[in-house]
Amino acid sequence: AQSVTQLDSHVSVSEGTPVLLRCNYSSSYSPSLFWYVQHPNKGLQLLLKYTSAATLVKGINGFEAEFKKSETSFHLTKPSAHMSDAAEYFCVVSVKTGANNLFFGTGTRLTVIP
Amino acid sequence: EAQVTQNPRYLITVTGKKLTVTCSQNMNHEYMSWYRQDPGLGLRQIYYSMNVEVTDKGDVPEGYKVSRKEKRNFPLILESPSPNQTSLYFCASSFAPSGEYEQYFGPGTRLTVT
Repeated sequence: AQSVTQLDSHVSVSEGTPVLLRCNYSSSYSPSLFWYVQHPNKGLQLLLKYTSAATLVKGINGFEAEFKKSETSFHLTKPSAHMSDAAEYFCVVSVKTGANNLFFGTGTRLTVIP
Repeated sequence: EAQVTQNPRYLITVTGKKLTVTCSQNMNHEYMSWYRQDPGLGLRQIYYSMNVEVTDKGDVPEGYKVSRKEKRNFPLILESPSPNQTSLYFCASSFAPSGEYEQYFGPGTRLTVT
């Protein structure tokens, strides 16, 4: 079975400080992993994805994530938060078998304090 | 510009009044799906379609119908809406359901059923 756990429903950081959004997954197959961002009143936008290549994945807007199979984690990080990073972030696991194969975490709301 | 469009963006209706939310993509994607987003639950898949005339249930299909008569369009139909269908709805498309492919999301439709 596949599942995703986002360990924090809300994270608050000061502008210019590091961001860490945590995600753990469970998958019976070799997964692909994604982080999506949702700004207020907008649809979801892909930040980055892992598909069994390099374990450290770089995405847009300075975000990156590291796939750690031994820890079943795919945490999202950014060295320095910007006000425009305030949004909701979703970790998603996907498997390559079957059609109904996307599993979303419940989301982490990131607040950036000026 | 590659995009997924949804209409309407906002809709307030009454219990039992049939409604349709349209979804259209211009990327020639074969795979399309509908999600609903509720606080604390993340995104849950309602229905998906592998191609024209091929649709199947997702995780929460009760009370919804879909059709896929053309590749670009995938409308969501609520025959008799009820208040528990008040939610934020997203349409998404991708080249294939395979886990490696990015999902492209529409901007969302906020539905309120009174």
